[in-house]
Order: sequence, then C-alpha cells, then structure tokens
Amino acid sequence: GAGVSQSPSNKVTEKGKDVELRCDPISGHTALYWYRQSLGQGLEFLIYFQGNSAPDKSGLPSDRFSAERTGGSVSTLTIQRTQQEDSAVYLCASSLGSATTNEQFFGPGTRLTVL
Amino acid sequence: DQQVKQNSPSLSVQEGRISILNCDYTNSMFDYFLWYKKYPAEGPTFLISISSIKDKNEDGRFTVFLNKSAKHLSLHIVPSQPGDSAVYFCAASGYSSGSARQLTFGSGTQLTVLP
Repeated sequence: GAGVSQSPSNKVTEKGKDVELRCDPISGHTALYWYRQSLGQGLEFLIYFQGNSAPDKSGLPSDRFSAERTGGSVSTLTIQRTQQEDSAVYLCASSLGSATTNEQFFGPGTRLTVL
Repeated sequence: DQQVKQNSPSLSVQEGRISILNCDYTNSMFDYFLWYKKYPAEGPTFLISISSIKDKNEDGRFTVFLNKSAKHLSLHIVPSQPGDSAVYFCAASGYSSGSARQLTFGSGTQLTVLP
C-alpha cells in the first residue's frame, strides 16, 4: 500500500515569506508526527497529533510554526515569516497509534531552503 | 543539550566484516530504543528496536545491544553488505512532557561498506 507522502519535495522561498508543507499519512494511522532535520543534526521533534486529542506542540521552536490535521488525516505544517535558520528537511511520520511499539513510518521529507 | 549522541559521524567497513555503530543517551527516562536507516532523498526506515527490559535483540544480520548502566547501545551488522551503506540513526523514546512518545534522535552515522 501507499506510504507516507509529503509535498512539495523541495521548496525554496525568500526570507519573510510564509510556507505550507503537506503530509499525507498512511490510511488508518491515527498518530502523526512532524520532525525536522537541520544540516548535520539528528531529527528534531516538532509536533504530534493523536486522533482527536489536542496536539502536543512542545517541540515547535517558535510561534511562527503551526500545524493542523484535518479530518484525522492530512496535515499541514505552516511556517510564517520564514527565517534562514528554518532551512532544513521537514519529515512527517505516521503510526497506527501512540504505543511504544507502534512503528513510525516516515515520508521522504520536504527540503526547505530559505534564501 | 543532546540527549541522544552518536559520536561517530562516519564509519567505513569492508564487505563481509562486522559494522558496529554506537549510541549514548543521557535521559534515564528513556525505555525504548530504535535504530533507523536512511538512504539519500528518502525518509528513515525502521530497522530494529529494543526495550529497556532486555539487553539484546537480534534480527537476522542485525543485533542491538543495550547497556543501561552505561546508557549505551550499539548496533552490530554482520556480515556487512554494500547495500547497508546508509545513514543510521539511533532513537530513544520515553514518556516525557504530555502524552506523546516522540522519538529523540541522534545525529546519525554514515556507514559505508566497501566492496
């Protein structure tokens, strides 16, 4: 079946512009995560959605970052007034649930470059 | 402050020999550990995991060892194959803030298996 998909695969934007990144999780997966990987760094947790519960936003680096998950499926990560330090690969993952052993399946990521 | 550390950014191994990738962690609340493998332009894919109640888990050519007292885990690949060449991420999970069991990742180790 289809895996996690993300769009666009690459995004180049100018400093100060807003960007929207999209994630389509695996059908039936109730948990959805956003991570980002800056150059030379590991993956950094951003936000987590589980079913209809309030999202865990504890990893969002600033109030310029927000995310939504509509209908328990597709999610969009929005970065307002982008800065150069926002340049990174943004990865989305989904899992069947939030239990320890629920494997997280990752999408290919969106490479964001802020000029 | 990095809670999961992979101190070797790269490792080269001859085909057929053993590859040993190391990972250290600092947070004693972590109770589940995973290794992910990542090829260029793809998302990370799950490889193997271990619960803190075990000290070893084996799956084919891959074995993960956990030393809780040293807060250290390692991934052994034997025999190594050229197709194993990828970036390997160590990740840890444990209940922290909120209810999310987000993964905390190390910065990765680039493994190159030479034919």
